[in-house]
Amino acid sequence: DQQVKQNSPSLSVQEGRISILNCDYTNSMFDYFLWYKKYPAEGPTFLISISSIKDKNEDGRFTVFLNKSAKHLSLHIVPSQPGDSAVYFCAASADGNQFYFGTGTSLTVIP
Amino acid sequence: NAGVTQTPKFRVLKTGQSMTLLCAQDMNHEYMYWYRQDPGMGLRLIHYSVGEGTTAKGEVPDGYNVSRLKKQNFLLGLESAAPSQTSVYFCASSSDGNSPLHFGNGTRLTVT
Repeated sequence: DQQVKQNSPSLSVQEGRISILNCDYTNSMFDYFLWYKKYPAEGPTFLISISSIKDKNEDGRFTVFLNKSAKHLSLHIVPSQPGDSAVYFCAASADGNQFYFGTGTSLTVIP
Repeated sequence: NAGVTQTPKFRVLKTGQSMTLLCAQDMNHEYMYWYRQDPGMGLRLIHYSVGEGTTAKGEVPDGYNVSRLKKQNFLLGLESAAPSQTSVYFCASSSDGNSPLHFGNGTRLTVT
C-alpha cells in the first residue's frame, strides 16, 4: 500500500512559468519530507526538504509547502527552466530510518 | 570525493544465479540504504543499516540479504535470482536519520 502518492505521472510547463508538483501521504506520523530530482541513468539528487514543524521552506527557485491537515505537500519551481526537465520524487519519513518514496512526476519544461 | 559508488553498473543473470552488489561511500555516513526502482512503483526500500554491523528490513526484503561489515560499505546479495528481481538498484547514504539521502547512480540488473 503506497504511503506516499504522486498522482500526476507527467507535467509540461512553458519556460519561465511556474511548475507545481504535488504529493499526498497517508501516514500522519511522517515528520520529515524531501524532494528529489532524477535525470535518466543517474541517481536521485536531493533538492529541498521540510520538517513537520514548518509549512514552507524556500531555496532559490524552489519552494516546498506542507499542509499537514490535508497530508499534502507541493514543490513550486519559479521560474521553470529547460534544465529542470527531470523526474521528481517526493519522500517522507516518520522515524528517520525508513524513507518512503512516491512514484514520481516527469516534468518537461518547454523552451 | 566520489560520494556513493555502486558496482557493477549493469549485470545480466540467469534465474537461480547469485550475485553481490557493492555500495561504497566516502562521506563517513552512518546510515546506508538499498532501494529498487521499478516502473510505476517509485523507489522501494529493500534493507537499510543505521551503523556498522547493523542491518534491518525495509518494505521489500524477501530474496535479498545485506551486510555492513565496514562503515563505508553496504553489500546487497541475491542468493537465487528470479525474473521478478529485474530492476534498477540504488544505494544511498545519510549522516543520520534527519538528513537527506545521497544516492549512487544505480545498478541495472536483468534476470532472464
